[in-house]
Amino acid sequence: DAKTTQPNSMESNEEEPVHLPCNHSTISGTDYIHWYRQLPSQGPEYVIHGLTSNVNNRMASLAIAEDRKSSTLILHRATLRDAAVYYCIRSSGGSNYKLTFGKGTLLTVNP
Amino acid sequence: SQTIHQWPATLVQPVGSPLSLECTVEGTSNPNLYWYRQAAGRGLQLLFYSVGIGQISSEVPQNLSASRPQDRQFILSSKKLLLSDSGFYLCASRDNYGYTFGSGTRLTVV
Repeated sequence: DAKTTQPNSMESNEEEPVHLPCNHSTISGTDYIHWYRQLPSQGPEYVIHGLTSNVNNRMASLAIAEDRKSSTLILHRATLRDAAVYYCIRSSGGSNYKLTFGKGTLLTVNP
Repeated sequence: SQTIHQWPATLVQPVGSPLSLECTVEGTSNPNLYWYRQAAGRGLQLLFYSVGIGQISSEVPQNLSASRPQDRQFILSSKKLLLSDSGFYLCASRDNYGYTFGSGTRLTVV
């Protein structure tokens, strides 16, 4: 039970922004929101994570709703190399936490 | 940053044969280590995790076992492979800075 809901697939055009939604309506106050992506035949790659505030890094931005029941991963300018399966994961803190993956969103980027 | 070494990249094994997949970690100490499996067209399923040498937790009952003989070494094994063991096996390591995944082993049981 991944405890997050994402669309199965999304499409975008190259050079355009992409907003990937994730619903985590049962999130607890100490759960972090993580985003990973997986390119074909590769292991997942860390994208970004956050707790309450919006987060930015060189790969993407993470916008977290005020009630924390949903979040959006934002790729500011999609490239063909961004085509991948994107996983939204919630996990509790602590030394033993485990990432439980759902099915993710398959992002297709059109040239 | 952490680096995960997994080998082999691909493996074809007959049903009933043994299996040993090795994962080693560089760039960190005392990490949590994980084995995931991804069947064709499916998501990642957590198989085992370890918080220290000799400490293994199994997430699902199955034909596989795991061992951690050293701090940065994690081994996935089977005495007799089944067809259903086919899949993409990923090792992951977690330290204070986050999760890092290896490049995976694609196992085909024939």
